[in-house]
Amino acid sequence: AQSVTQPDIHITVSEGASLELRCNYSYGATPYLFWYVQSPGQGLQLLLKYFSGDTLVQGIKGFEAEFKRSQSSFNLRKPSVHWSDAAEYFCAANTGGGNKLTFGTGTQLKVEL
Amino acid sequence: GAVVSQHPSWVICKSGTSVKIECRSLDFQATTMFWYRQFPKQSLMLMATSNEGSKATYEQGVEKDKFLINHASLTLSTLTVTSAHPEDSSFYICSASVMTSGSYEQYFGPGTRLTVT
Repeated sequence: AQSVTQPDIHITVSEGASLELRCNYSYGATPYLFWYVQSPGQGLQLLLKYFSGDTLVQGIKGFEAEFKRSQSSFNLRKPSVHWSDAAEYFCAANTGGGNKLTFGTGTQLKVEL
Repeated sequence: GAVVSQHPSWVICKSGTSVKIECRSLDFQATTMFWYRQFPKQSLMLMATSNEGSKATYEQGVEKDKFLINHASLTLSTLTVTSAHPEDSSFYICSASVMTSGSYEQYFGPGTRLTVT
């Protein structure tokens, strides 16, 4: 079955520190991959996406993600975290063509000042 | 960018009544919209896929007679929770699928908080 796994439920980092959120997928073929961020009581905002081509993807708010086929991973990174980055982060995948998304369970990011 | 709105943003209703939630794509047309449900501190659970002009496709375990979905136009999909009960209290989020840079991606609405008393 197709699935997306986010191994870390909670992560706490200090402001200014680097961040990496993990995401692994299990699909028959390489899916389309997405990272979304959700602030409390809000909808989801797309940070970045990977369809094909360059495996290092740049997104909004200084985030980037690297697709690694050999590890079936699509980890999200940020060199220096800001207090406003505290939120819930979801990795998601689909097989393209407007198909439904499969979400990971999410990672709650806390930023210490 | 593509903007999706939801109305209302929150609603409180009494047990046994019905509630309608609207999802609109404001600056684009969406042939496909999706409805999700999210419980506190949990991930999004897809409820159904709504296609303009046709019946919605429900995920396994979702009661189609309880969660009525209508996609009457290319910019509007509605979710009606019929005979609501306290266990239906949740955060409901819609999304609209749009072609962007040669591929499809989903844009999400801000969500609707439903509380059934």
